[in-house]
Amino acid sequence: QKEVEQNSGPLSVPEGAIASLNCTYSDRGSQSFFWYRQYSGKSPELIMSIYSNGDKEDGRFTAQLNKASQYVSLLIRDSQPSDSATYLCAVIYGNKLVFGAGTILRVKS
Amino acid sequence: GAGVSQSPRYKVAKRGQDVALRCDPISGHVSLFWYQQALGQGPEFLTYFQNEAQLDKSGLPSDRFFAERPEGSVSTLKIQRTQQEDSAVYLCASSPGTAAFYGYTFGSGTRLTVV
Repeated sequence: QKEVEQNSGPLSVPEGAIASLNCTYSDRGSQSFFWYRQYSGKSPELIMSIYSNGDKEDGRFTAQLNKASQYVSLLIRDSQPSDSATYLCAVIYGNKLVFGAGTILRVKS
Repeated sequence: GAGVSQSPRYKVAKRGQDVALRCDPISGHVSLFWYQQALGQGPEFLTYFQNEAQLDKSGLPSDRFFAERPEGSVSTLKIQRTQQEDSAVYLCASSPGTAAFYGYTFGSGTRLTVV
């Protein structure tokens, strides 16, 4: 069973702070990793992808990957109330994405 | 089209009724996926098409679920004799490549409620 684990939250951070979202996965052979954002009542939206160990930055978002520890994280700098959503970690297994249950992020103004 | 289009957006079915959910992927996208998302959960894989070929249907929960993509474009997910546990949001996604390397673009989903 291919698994992707996330803390369900909610994770509450004040506006302007750094939000740190974490994800672990079970298959050591996985090569591609994605973060999706899902607003309430909406469909998931791709925000970051990462394939190599280390950090990948895109604006206020940084994805971090550690394949030895089977760990992926997403940092959101200068968090805004509009970042409040569920963040889904997804891992490629074969020809499909397997998703975690998501972490609810709440940014308090 | 510009995005993945799904219809209907909402469907209420009486238990035992058959339903058909439609997905129109982004033009030219080879790969098409169906997912089921229950409230408070992440999307769960149902099935995968590469063009018109259904390459993986391992996630379909029972033989009441059937999907097709006869011309390699529009896809239909059919659920026969709906049960209350089928109530969920059904998401369709497409990808330009033959693998999910690029990540998916999701449609808006169809919210199915079985009463």
